[in-house]
Amino acid sequence: NAGVTQTPKFRILKIGQSMTLQCAQDMNHNYMYWYRQDPGMGLKLIYYSVGAGITDKGEVPNGYNVSRSTTEDFPLRLELAAPSQTSVYFCASRHRSLGGDTQYFGPGTRLTVL
Amino acid sequence: GDSVTQMEGPVTLSEEAFLTINCTYTATGYPSLFWYVQYPGEGLQLLLKATKADDKGSNKGFEATYRKETTSFHLEKGSVQVSDSAVYFCALITGNQFYFGTGTSLTVIP
Repeated sequence: NAGVTQTPKFRILKIGQSMTLQCAQDMNHNYMYWYRQDPGMGLKLIYYSVGAGITDKGEVPNGYNVSRSTTEDFPLRLELAAPSQTSVYFCASRHRSLGGDTQYFGPGTRLTVL
Repeated sequence: GDSVTQMEGPVTLSEEAFLTINCTYTATGYPSLFWYVQYPGEGLQLLLKATKADDKGSNKGFEATYRKETTSFHLEKGSVQVSDSAVYFCALITGNQFYFGTGTSLTVIP
C-alpha cells in the first residue's frame, strides 16, 4: 500500500492564482481530511469527507473548496490565492475499528503565496 | 467547543533523561485521545492512543494514561534517545472531527 499520497510537494503561487492540491489513499477508508499547519499553531481542519459525495466544513474552510467523487481521491481547491494561505497542507484518511480510530497522514504540500 | 491544550516547548533534554509532555483536553461526550509524532519534513504519525477512561496507550517506550477525572493525557518516556527528537502533538476525536494541540518540540542531546 502506498498509504496517503499528496502532490505536489512544494508550490509557489502568485496572489490571485488558483490551484488544486491532490490527495489519494489506497486503503479504502471512507473518511478523509484536509488540514493546514501554520508554525506554532498545530493543525487546523479545513474540510472533511465521510464518504464519496459527502463533504463538510471544518474550522477554517474560507478560501477553499473540496470534492469527493471517489473513495480514493479528495482534492483541495484554492481559488484566488492569498498570502494568508501560505502554509503546509496535510491530507489524512481515517480508519475506524473496534480498537478505535487511526488517522494516516500524507507527507504534506508546502505552499507559498507571494 | 472541544479543544486540546499541551505544554509549550521547546523542550531540550539530555539522552536517557525522563520525559513528560503535558496535555489536557476539553470535550463533550467521551473522546478518544491520541499522541502523534512529526519528524522534520514529514507528516504526522500515530504514536499511541487510548479510547476510554483509565486506558493506557503505549508504544516505543512512550506511555500515556487517559485520566477522565483530570481531563489529561500526559505523554511520558523513562529514557529518551536522540532519535526521539521530533514534534509531539496531542489530539482528540469527537464525532467526525479531530482536534490537535499546538505541538511540543523535543530535542534530545547526546
